[in-house]
Amino acid sequence: EAQVTQNPRYLITVTGKKLTVTCSQNMNHEYMSWYRQDPGLGLRQIYYSMNVEVTDKGDVPEGYKVSRKEKRNFPLILESPSPNQTSLYFCASSLYPGGFGANVLTFGAGSRLTVL
Amino acid sequence: AQKITQTQPGMFVQEKEAVTLDCTYDTSDQSYGLFWYKQPSSGEMIFLIYQGSYDEQNATEGRYSLNFQKARKSANLVISASQLGDSAMYFCAMREVNTDKLIFGTGTRLQVFP
Repeated sequence: EAQVTQNPRYLITVTGKKLTVTCSQNMNHEYMSWYRQDPGLGLRQIYYSMNVEVTDKGDVPEGYKVSRKEKRNFPLILESPSPNQTSLYFCASSLYPGGFGANVLTFGAGSRLTVL
Repeated sequence: AQKITQTQPGMFVQEKEAVTLDCTYDTSDQSYGLFWYKQPSSGEMIFLIYQGSYDEQNATEGRYSLNFQKARKSANLVISASQLGDSAMYFCAMREVNTDKLIFGTGTRLQVFP
């Protein structure tokens, strides 16, 4: 089944304890991205990657890191989590950067993170 | 800057009736794409429908249609024959050309009652 897989789905952690949210897609997609969703704010982009080894900041990159060493994986790293990073996180991918129509962004199931 | 506005925080509709969810957008780009996603209470984001800025006809996907009025910069989602399973949060989004970023509105919570 074609999908974007995120892990963990739920996590409660404490301030300052490094964590990684993994994201993997099996659709050979070039483009991958991370979003966070907060009540009343919709979804906001954290980082994106046009291709392997090519990443760039989105709207809210502070406190996050990413890497794209291989096409299928795009982990999100919180080096020193803080309570304001408590949120619902989504990884998403699409076939290629640019273009429209069939180039739909497919989302993972989401990872709910709580930082105490 | 590009922006999506959804002015209806919540909507109610009776089962089998049609409902329109409003979306207006702001962009200076000539080429852009508009999307609607559904987020049920389980949390996943489900793609519903897409409209390209150069598409002359309104997009339709089953019970979903997009009422695209380019001059007014609106892209309203119409759900016909509402079902209880349509109860969810609905997000309008626009894809930015240079970065492929999806810019989301704040969403509309739709509740379908029997």
